[in-house]
Amino acid sequence: GQQVMQIPQYQHVQEGEDFTTYCNSSTTLSNIQWYKQRPGGHPVFLIQLVKSGEVKKQKRLTFQFGEAKKNSSLHITATQTTDVGTYFCAGGDMRFGAGTRLTVKP
Amino acid sequence: GAVVSQHPSRVICKSGTSVKIECRSLDFQATTMFWYRQFPKQSLMLMATSNEGSKATYEQGVEKDKFLINHASLTLSTLTVTSAHPEDSSFYICSVAGGADTQYFGPGTRLTVL
Repeated sequence: GQQVMQIPQYQHVQEGEDFTTYCNSSTTLSNIQWYKQRPGGHPVFLIQLVKSGEVKKQKRLTFQFGEAKKNSSLHITATQTTDVGTYFCAGGDMRFGAGTRLTVKP
Repeated sequence: GAVVSQHPSRVICKSGTSVKIECRSLDFQATTMFWYRQFPKQSLMLMATSNEGSKATYEQGVEKDKFLINHASLTLSTLTVTSAHPEDSSFYICSVAGGADTQYFGPGTRLTVL
């Protein structure tokens, strides 16, 4: 199946700093989903992107889907301690990226 | 989104015994459910796709005789880990397929095999 690569693996930021995680696929994705998993918790669906070049926003979170539908990013503006967790992307065939673990220092 | 429950949340068993994990969709008729396992600090690995009323579809490398999946109703899928061994210890998570490839996850079951 198609592989979805995600970077970085870890990111530690000071509260108020921005954060970005990236997903890349070697093949075109039909869609991409983003999930957040808090420590000790289960993944929670954040959003799905379907269209080429699509950009969606949820408050301080901005999600982008590349023009070629092979890459995607999640950007958090002015991180807060509540943003702590692991962010996963998943391709259209339910295969998850490795995740980016975000820690935020108050 | 759908509300999904799992039972038990934690289970400790002896090597060689079988463990059944239940995944329930509480407010959504789930024709398709997914089973994942997740090792500590790692990503989710799709084990199988469970379809109501038919056989599950297993991912490559997942032993169907070891991980028995039953999806007998639109609200319940079960995963039975047969003859469990310590290497089967993991976090098992189910999810319900929502519309257009979205998923709603259960809270997970942490299995420890002694």
